[in-house]
Amino acid sequence: AQSVTQLDSQVPVFEEAPVELRCNYSSSVSVYLFWYVQYPNQGLQLLLKYLSGSTLVKGINGFEAEFNKSQTSFHLRKPSVHISDTAEYFCAVRNTGFQKLVFGTGTRLLVSP
Amino acid sequence: NAGVTQTPKFQVLKTGQSMTLQCAQDMNHEYMSWYRQDPGMGLRLIHYSVGAGITDQGEVPNGYNVSRSTTEDFPLRLLSAAPSQTSVYFCASSSAGADSGNTIYFGEGSWLTVV
Repeated sequence: AQSVTQLDSQVPVFEEAPVELRCNYSSSVSVYLFWYVQYPNQGLQLLLKYLSGSTLVKGINGFEAEFNKSQTSFHLRKPSVHISDTAEYFCAVRNTGFQKLVFGTGTRLLVSP
Repeated sequence: NAGVTQTPKFQVLKTGQSMTLQCAQDMNHEYMSWYRQDPGMGLRLIHYSVGAGITDQGEVPNGYNVSRSTTEDFPLRLLSAAPSQTSVYFCASSSAGADSGNTIYFGEGSWLTVV
């Protein structure tokens, strides 16, 4: 079975500063990794995904993530955040043979002026 | 351009009442699933389906029923609502096709309060 750990429940940051949201996973089989964003009172939107190939994945809104197999991590980064990036971010994992997603508990990104 | 559609968006129930959350997708996806989202717990899988006529339990199935009579629809039934079922519910769908990109699409969510 897979599991996902997002250690930071909340990350406060000032506008235009860089940010990293941490995600670690555990799995005994090959996995696909995802980051979703949820704006207040809305559904989940896919930010980016890692399926295979290059370990650096670029997504929408200037976000990127790096898959590190040895450290079983998939941290999300943005070099300069905007107020509009304030949202909750979920890391998720699924094994390559099945469609069920396992989610982390989420990290709330709070961007202030 | 509908994607995954959930209804209702908001609902208040009394303890013991039953109701059905509707979910429909227009992408001809084989896989559909229901998640609930609770503060500090992320999203947890309730039930899922790998095709019409096939359903299975997820992580937190108790108190919920599902059926999949068509590819498009995957309703979630609360049999006898309890305050512990106050949550935000998300329906999701994805394709089994090799060119699907393995993306799982989510509906906008249904906010349910049980009093």
